[in-house]
Amino acid sequence: DVKVTQSSRYLVKRTGEKVFLECVQDMDHENMFWYRQDPGLGLRLIYFSYDVKMKEKGDIPEGYSVSREKKERFSLILESASTNQTSMYLCASSVPGTRSGYTFGSGTRLTVV
Amino acid sequence: ILNVEQSPQSLHVQEGDSTNFTCSFPSSNFYALHWYRWETAKSPEALFVMTLNGDEKKKGRISATLNTKEGYSYLYIKGSQPEDSATYLCAPSNTGNQFYFGTGTSLTVIP
Repeated sequence: DVKVTQSSRYLVKRTGEKVFLECVQDMDHENMFWYRQDPGLGLRLIYFSYDVKMKEKGDIPEGYSVSREKKERFSLILESASTNQTSMYLCASSVPGTRSGYTFGSGTRLTVV
Repeated sequence: ILNVEQSPQSLHVQEGDSTNFTCSFPSSNFYALHWYRWETAKSPEALFVMTLNGDEKKKGRISATLNTKEGYSYLYIKGSQPEDSATYLCAPSNTGNQFYFGTGTSLTVIP
């Protein structure tokens, strides 16, 4: 019954590594989102996509990029991981229009050492 | 960016107590508001979506109200149980496609 799948629950990477976080949804949703969650700061939007090959910067895109080559898959890329990117990363998907709400993945806890 | 405030930031209550949280947001250009429950090690789960001023929604012991004119929503839990322990997120939107999340209220129900 899993609808939004994030590839890893826990991930430990070294500073400077290139990191890929994968998200796959099976609901044929147009919209996909990447958030990070840090204590006291809530969920902050990194990037989002309204369609295949489309991407839009969110509120905190610096240090990240994304890829959406297929409708069901939205990848978040940390080009050169840094310790301040240690965080919980959440992927979400939705149909157009915010009355439907998001379906979230279970999150990836990334630690950069 | 919408400035969304949730209070309190955290809350500890005894089993059986009733409790409530607040979500405040700018009232201009309101479109919809969602409440989510996020339990540790799980995905955030949608509780309610509200769109109209005066909306009230209920799901078991949990209910929510919406005031779009003054820009706030209340979430109520009646007779809290340990399984209600979670972070409760509110997410208003002022457009058709994007939410803005508050920092959440972390609820711990003590048996």
